[in-house]
Amino acid sequence: NAGVTQTPKFQVLKTGQSMTLQCAQDMNHNSMYWYRQDPGMGLRLIYYSASEGTTDKGEVPNGYNVSRLNKREFSLRLESAAPSQTSVYFCASSRMNTEAFFGQGTRLTVV
Amino acid sequence: AQSVTQLGSHVSVSEGALVLLRCNYSSSVPPYLFWYVQYPNQGLQLLLKYTSAATLVKGINGFEAEFKKSETSFHLTKPSAHMSDAAEYFCAVRLHNYGQNFVFGPGTRLSVLP
Repeated sequence: NAGVTQTPKFQVLKTGQSMTLQCAQDMNHNSMYWYRQDPGMGLRLIYYSASEGTTDKGEVPNGYNVSRLNKREFSLRLESAAPSQTSVYFCASSRMNTEAFFGQGTRLTVV
Repeated sequence: AQSVTQLGSHVSVSEGALVLLRCNYSSSVPPYLFWYVQYPNQGLQLLLKYTSAATLVKGINGFEAEFKKSETSFHLTKPSAHMSDAAEYFCAVRLHNYGQNFVFGPGTRLSVLP
């Protein structure tokens, strides 16, 4: 059982470049999330999808877009990367009223 | 807005000593509460969870936490620290709304000294 799988694990972008972070879960969860983790700030929610076909902004959505492709997959796109988007990105999924399961993270550096 | 506070960004204990990591939340309705652990360069792993059953919750690796509604707290404890407990610990709440989003505390880095 793979759980939550994120690709890629590492990425270096130049300012202004675009990229898509991929996330897939095999636990049949309805809800999926994208977080970014920065030192001393915990995890901050970028976007979430409560169910297939819906997406909503979280705490820090600016500069990002998402697509809930199907129940399994939830991608995060950076259209024009900025150095402030250097971070570790985590995808997570969950059922109602219980814990979230996390992927291993994508370490993104924007130079 | 909901918030989670964790007192102490860095806690150091000696091997064999008591571990106490503090978590307080702001909510008018008791939320679901969680503690996660993160080892270097890894994702978050669930330690334990409170979902309105017993107020004293036991988790993996000998950790436990007690939900105290009157104090809006969910502190994490372990009677005897082990070197392998060195990691970052996050407290989180899950909200009772449409998205049921999770709100995370800033984290506490635990160091275990030999």
